[in-house]
Amino acid sequence: GAVVSQHPSWVICKSGTSVKIECRSLDFQATTMFWYRQFPKQSLMLMATSNEGSKATYEQGVEKDKFLINHASLTLSTLTVTSAHPEDSSFYICSARDPGLAYNEQFFGPGTRLTVL
Amino acid sequence: SQQGEEDPQALSIQEGENATMNCSYKTSINNLQWYRQNSGRGLVHLILIRSNEREKHSGRLRVTLDTSKKSSSLLITASRAADTASYFCATDAVRDDKIIFGKGTRLHILP
Repeated sequence: GAVVSQHPSWVICKSGTSVKIECRSLDFQATTMFWYRQFPKQSLMLMATSNEGSKATYEQGVEKDKFLINHASLTLSTLTVTSAHPEDSSFYICSARDPGLAYNEQFFGPGTRLTVL
Repeated sequence: SQQGEEDPQALSIQEGENATMNCSYKTSINNLQWYRQNSGRGLVHLILIRSNEREKHSGRLRVTLDTSKKSSSLLITASRAADTASYFCATDAVRDDKIIFGKGTRLHILP
């Protein structure tokens, strides 16, 4: 099946710094990727939809200026957490649609654990 | 935004018993998927059932879908300790591109 990778798998940073997380579709081109956030013992919450070559669409309550999304190519989307604070510590998971498959199935990356000190 | 609701929120059963988890959702869907997540890990895709399907099997897993009731169930037969995890349903709505997750069921298999 299709593979989606994320880098890094975990990151620890100081409060106030910015952190970039990459999401790559390895064997297919994804015009649309999605970013989710998961706090401990909670479900995945959709943050934004990343569209190649255009602006991301953010879910209600997600700050655009804090969570910068760039989908510069058909295989790469990046999420930058700007001026990170401890409350941004979470598990960030991306997914990508493979338009070449029937029913436009999504595939999920392994996630990135962010800890902000 | 649409979100599936699983019940129960938590389930503890003896090893060897069957575990049933339910999911309800709100709007019309293209398909519904079930995922497993071990503590602190990524998602493992278990099974996808399309809106025109009513039942699907994969090994010890059985998934049903009732679009009239907007609900799905996941049955794990002959549970094992390794089945201990959180299970999420995720719906792919007709109206948009998004996959939205339910709140999940935490399953604990007792030895």
